[in-house]
Amino acid sequence: EVLLVESGGGLVQRGGSLRLSCAGSGFSFSDHYMHWVRQAPGKGLVCVSRIKTDGSFTTYADSVKGRFTISRDNAKNTLYLQMNSLRDEDTALYYCAVMSPGVDYWGRGTLVTVSS
Amino acid sequence: QAVVTQEPSLTVSPGGTITLTCGSSTGAVTDGHYPYWLQQKPGQAPRTLIYNTSNKHSWTPARFSGSLLGGKAALTLSGAQVEDEAEYFCLLMYSGARVFGGGTKLTVL
Repeated sequence: EVLLVESGGGLVQRGGSLRLSCAGSGFSFSDHYMHWVRQAPGKGLVCVSRIKTDGSFTTYADSVKGRFTISRDNAKNTLYLQMNSLRDEDTALYYCAVMSPGVDYWGRGTLVTVSS
Repeated sequence: QAVVTQEPSLTVSPGGTITLTCGSSTGAVTDGHYPYWLQQKPGQAPRTLIYNTSNKHSWTPARFSGSLLGGKAALTLSGAQVEDEAEYFCLLMYSGARVFGGGTKLTVL
């Protein structure tokens, strides 16, 4: 069974930091680009960041560039998102996902709430 | 960053046909944008129905199809079912980065 399990979310003060993790199992983690996708309450989807199979190529949404860093540890089948200088607008459910031809895996998400 | 546009809401009758579209602020949508279409129902994670313009996953009902139409990506639903009521998001690729549209809330009524 394919599983993606996100963790690390929670309540954080404005300007603070959090590190999200996503543990993958049941598939060949190192063969796939990985994504962090977020969804603010009642809003649409935003592709926050994307990372190549070996970590050598990454992309970020303009809204998080310079504040968020995506990384992966293929030996541990784990994806990370380091989030710094958090803002109110970063409040969202954060999903990790694989979206590749013929493959589509999503976790259940981890909730990040930024408060003043 | 490019802006991807979708109709905010659409309504279709059961058994009817409807086309959702996905435009790009940079110009015409092409196969090179690798258009994806995702479906999300309340309280659930999204799931991809169509990838790379017109390819279906094994779980994609045959009544859904993807194409390029008039400079946009399009998702056509032929023979709508009540269970197709959901939000639909398109996703385009720009120089390796992926950008979602704002979503279309589809009502089957």
